[in-house]
Amino acid sequence: DAGVTQSPTHLIKTRGQQVTLRCSPKSGHDTVSWYQQALGQGPQFIFQYYEEEERQRGNFPDRFSGHQFPNYSSELNVNALLLGDSALYLCASSYRGGWNEQFFGPGTRLTVL
Amino acid sequence: RKEVEQDPGPFNVPEGATVAFNCTYSNSASQSFFWYRQDCRKEPKLLMSVYSSGNEDGRFTAQLNRASQYISLLIRDSKLSDSATYLCVVNNAGNNRKLIWGLGTSLAVNP
Repeated sequence: DAGVTQSPTHLIKTRGQQVTLRCSPKSGHDTVSWYQQALGQGPQFIFQYYEEEERQRGNFPDRFSGHQFPNYSSELNVNALLLGDSALYLCASSYRGGWNEQFFGPGTRLTVL
Repeated sequence: RKEVEQDPGPFNVPEGATVAFNCTYSNSASQSFFWYRQDCRKEPKLLMSVYSSGNEDGRFTAQLNRASQYISLLIRDSKLSDSATYLCVVNNAGNNRKLIWGLGTSLAVNP
């Protein structure tokens, strides 16, 4: 039973660049939520995708966008990177837009220089 | 007031000790509550959901007090492997349902 996978594991970018992070949900799950976790902080909700649509969004600017594919995998795109975007980006999968139990991937650690 | 607040700790306890974490939430209409555990540089993992009647899973007991808007996690007979950050998570209600995460409480269990 495949768990949640994310790629890449680490990424280094410079200010102003764009980045795409990828996530495949746990087998049997169809909902993907993205979180940003800065060092020493709890995860901050970015958005959730279900049925290939953005269903909920947290307090993040439009520079953060996403997509969900028919196979339920998802991408997170961040444009015009800022130093403050440096964080661990976590993907969590669940079933049918549910919030009750989310399974997390190992995360992508993004460093913006 | 933050939506979900936790004492950041760190809590340093000896093996075998009992330790309790509290978490308060601001939205009285919140419906679901969870404790997640996060090891250093790893992803969060669900430890337990918190039910109105309270629930227990081995050495772990979770309690919910809706009137005072707080939840608690009690760990008995602490093990070295319990060292981690414990995150309180609340599912808020209304049109913009999402999980709100606390900053986490750091626990170090010492030999």
